[in-house]
Amino acid sequence: KQEVTQIPAALSVPEGENLVLNCSFTDSAIYNLQWFRQDPGKGLTSLLLIQSSQREQTSGRLNASLDKSSGRSTLYIAASQPGDSATYLCAVRRNAGNMLTFGGGTRLMVKP
Amino acid sequence: KAGVTQTPRYLIKTRGQQVTLSCSPISGHRSVSWYQQTPGQGLQFLFEYFSETQRNKGNFPGRFSGRQFSNSRSEMNVSTLELGDSALYLCASSSPGLAGYNEQFFGPGTRLTVL
Repeated sequence: KQEVTQIPAALSVPEGENLVLNCSFTDSAIYNLQWFRQDPGKGLTSLLLIQSSQREQTSGRLNASLDKSSGRSTLYIAASQPGDSATYLCAVRRNAGNMLTFGGGTRLMVKP
Repeated sequence: KAGVTQTPRYLIKTRGQQVTLSCSPISGHRSVSWYQQTPGQGLQFLFEYFSETQRNKGNFPGRFSGRQFSNSRSEMNVSTLELGDSALYLCASSSPGLAGYNEQFFGPGTRLTVL
């Protein structure tokens, strides 16, 4: 059974810092991995999707890497801003179906 | 392009009642998945429908059921509601692209409260 863990569970940083969020998964036989952002009481916003054959993806100030063999992914946020405050979730897809297994999330607060 | 829409956004029911939630996927998307989000269990997969057929199912009791219509809109039904069914129910849609690239897009969710 696939298990996804995110560390840390919560993080508070001053504005402008670069930060790394971690995601680990127990079964390396994944199809792809997706990072999401969730604002309080809202739905999920897709940030980045990495296919199992890829090593990283970039979008603006965000960079996600994937090391499938070690079961790890990181989300790097450059020059953090207060507007980045949210919960960040990673999710892995095991096969060609669309079932995602989610981690517990990292709650990020960026202080002005 | 309109995003995934879910109705209603908020719902209050009492134990024993049943409820139906609706999800309209992004135009052209044929896959719709449902997830339950609670503070204790996090996000858990309920089921996925593709072209009106259930393709995957999570580990939830039979009180949770769904269906998909020919226009890809989906409904989820929960019968005999329990207090523990209080949650945010999220719907996601996706469309297979090149090499199976299929990013999932989520709706705003339906907040269900069971009293």
